[in-house]
Amino acid sequence: AQSVTQLDSQVPVFEEAPVELRCNYSSSVSVYLFWYVQYPNQGLQLLLKYLSGSTLVKGINGFEAEFNKSQTSFHLRKPSVHISDTAEYFCAALTSGTYKYIFGTGTRLKVLA
Amino acid sequence: ETGVTQSPTHLIKTRGQQVTLRCSSQSGHNTVSWYQQALGQGPQFIFQYYREEENGRGNFPPRFSGLQFPNYSSELNVNALELDDSALYLCASRAGQGRAGTEAFFGQGTRLTVV
Repeated sequence: AQSVTQLDSQVPVFEEAPVELRCNYSSSVSVYLFWYVQYPNQGLQLLLKYLSGSTLVKGINGFEAEFNKSQTSFHLRKPSVHISDTAEYFCAALTSGTYKYIFGTGTRLKVLA
Repeated sequence: ETGVTQSPTHLIKTRGQQVTLRCSSQSGHNTVSWYQQALGQGPQFIFQYYREEENGRGNFPPRFSGLQFPNYSSELNVNALELDDSALYLCASRAGQGRAGTEAFFGQGTRLTVV
């Protein structure tokens, strides 16, 4: 069965420091991978997606992620975070030919001044 | 702005009651999905509609039902509410079933509290 694992439930980091949020997926078939951000009392906003091609994907707000097929990972990175990046981040997978997103349990990023 | 709107934004219901949540999809999107997000959890897939037909369902009991209308707006109905149904309900619309429809656009959600 397909699954998505986010290894860290909370990540505190100081402003202007780099951050990496980890995501691993489990699937025997090709998948599309996504990172969404959720601010308090709001829905999900797409940060970036991997469908095919280059394994390094750049998204909005300075975020990027790298697809690693051998390690079945899709970690999210940002070289320098801002206070406004404080939010919940969800990794998700969509198997080609299916219809539903499988989400991880989320990582709460807290940026400290 | 995603263009997906949900109503109401907040709702309080009593156990045993029925509730209807509404979603207006982004223009041109013929596929809508509903997700339940319990506190501190990731969204869980409830079901999906494509051109007014349900074409996928997650592990939710039959008291969770839905409709999609010709204008692609959608409803989620929950009967016999239980306390565990308290959650944020998210609607997501997509442009189709193929590669072009891989990106889902989410609404801001409806926060349902069952007391």
